[in-house]
Amino acid sequence: GAVVSQHPSWVICKSGTSVKIECRSLDFQATTMFWYRQFPKQSLMLMATSNEGSKATYEQGVEKDKFLINHASLTLSTLTVTSAHPEDSSFYICSATGPTSSYEQYFGPGTRLTVT
Amino acid sequence: QKEVEQDPGPLSVPEGAIVSLNCTYSNSAFQYFMWYRQYSRKGPELLMYTYSSGNKEDGRFTAQVDKSSKYISLFIRDSQPSDSATYLCAMSETGTALIFGKGTTLSVSS
Repeated sequence: GAVVSQHPSWVICKSGTSVKIECRSLDFQATTMFWYRQFPKQSLMLMATSNEGSKATYEQGVEKDKFLINHASLTLSTLTVTSAHPEDSSFYICSATGPTSSYEQYFGPGTRLTVT
Repeated sequence: QKEVEQDPGPLSVPEGAIVSLNCTYSNSAFQYFMWYRQYSRKGPELLMYTYSSGNKEDGRFTAQVDKSSKYISLFIRDSQPSDSATYLCAMSETGTALIFGKGTTLSVSS
């Protein structure tokens, strides 16, 4: 149980275009989902916290107009990187709070974004 | 000083060895402490979760939290080649917004 999927696993896009990443909880309802970014050999950095039906809460320094988050249902959250630039190239990982405890986060496999 | 410090390694041990992984932190308000395992190009997998101070054991894994020293540890007994991965500590004040260490890369040779 407590499986989180992400799609796509890898995406390449041109500078200036937008790309959408999906995060799904497959076997449980996730009231809260989180989006992280991880650069090579660096920590996971929390970007935003997303609650179903509410606006996402962004961490300091994260541009909310650039990283659009939508949490339309209890099993789906999306992250859209708008007007992507090469410096947005990174590993984006989502997580969701598990079915047994609101404190245990289960992570998706991640999406590698490369902006050319 | 960063909130969470973790030696990135790499740490190389022979199969069967006891592995000790550690993190220190500066925020005394942290109450929730987790250890995650991450394989290359994959999302982290929750290994251990501890609230406040104390020890927790799960199979070959033992997590220790010493809040007075702001120090947490993960011990792996009888290490196996399949334990080769990056181990991330994470902590939180509320249990939701996690602050991660950089991760320690572990290699267990057979």
